[in-house]
Amino acid sequence: AQKITQTQPGMFVQEKEAVTLDCTYDTSDPSYGLFWYKQPSSGEMIFLIYQGSYDQQNATEGRYSLNFQKARKSANLVISASQLGDSAMYFCAMRDAGTGNQFYFGTGTSLTVIP
Amino acid sequence: EPEVTQTPSHQVTQMGQEVILRCVPISNHLYFYWYRQILGQKVEFLVSFYNNEISEKSEIFDDQFSVERPDGSNFTLKIRSTKLEDSAMYFCASSESGGLPYEQYFGPGTRLTVT
Repeated sequence: AQKITQTQPGMFVQEKEAVTLDCTYDTSDPSYGLFWYKQPSSGEMIFLIYQGSYDQQNATEGRYSLNFQKARKSANLVISASQLGDSAMYFCAMRDAGTGNQFYFGTGTSLTVIP
Repeated sequence: EPEVTQTPSHQVTQMGQEVILRCVPISNHLYFYWYRQILGQKVEFLVSFYNNEISEKSEIFDDQFSVERPDGSNFTLKIRSTKLEDSAMYFCASSESGGLPYEQYFGPGTRLTVT
């Protein structure tokens, strides 16, 4: 069964606009963490933001914020004021006590920022 | 800022040959990981390593694969007899600790091409 689902294979956003990348997850473990990584065309994986299942507030890191809706099991990434350099693949990932230390990744969303 | 490094950036090998992919994790990190990403697909967990032994491995990590920490800085992934389907980007990652909320820092990857 898929632990992480990203339903948007590709997204376009106008420069300076905000964009939301969807991620839903599946776990029965009460303790889990959700991560977002950015993968530019150069291939490296860059950590963006983390949300813990017990965190009371949505995580924010600069222009990145995570819209965490626990009951719906969604952890959408919001990028505000998009920049051309935001064009990349974005992966949602999860760890829970059942998965130990390994991450489960989604299939990714390709974001293109249009000037 | 400390980073995970990987060498080589690109390795081309013939089917049936052995390859060793090298990684230098962040120096104070204790947990090390290998992931792979077949072109256009999601990132998949291979193995995690802690205290000089494998702590978890996926079903992908069969007898053809092995990992080693030969000295205090390097962490290697060996594929004994490569197959065409081993062609992928291989990412090394490290984390300070194994539990949440510790993110895994990824290296830039080694692109393995098996011909």
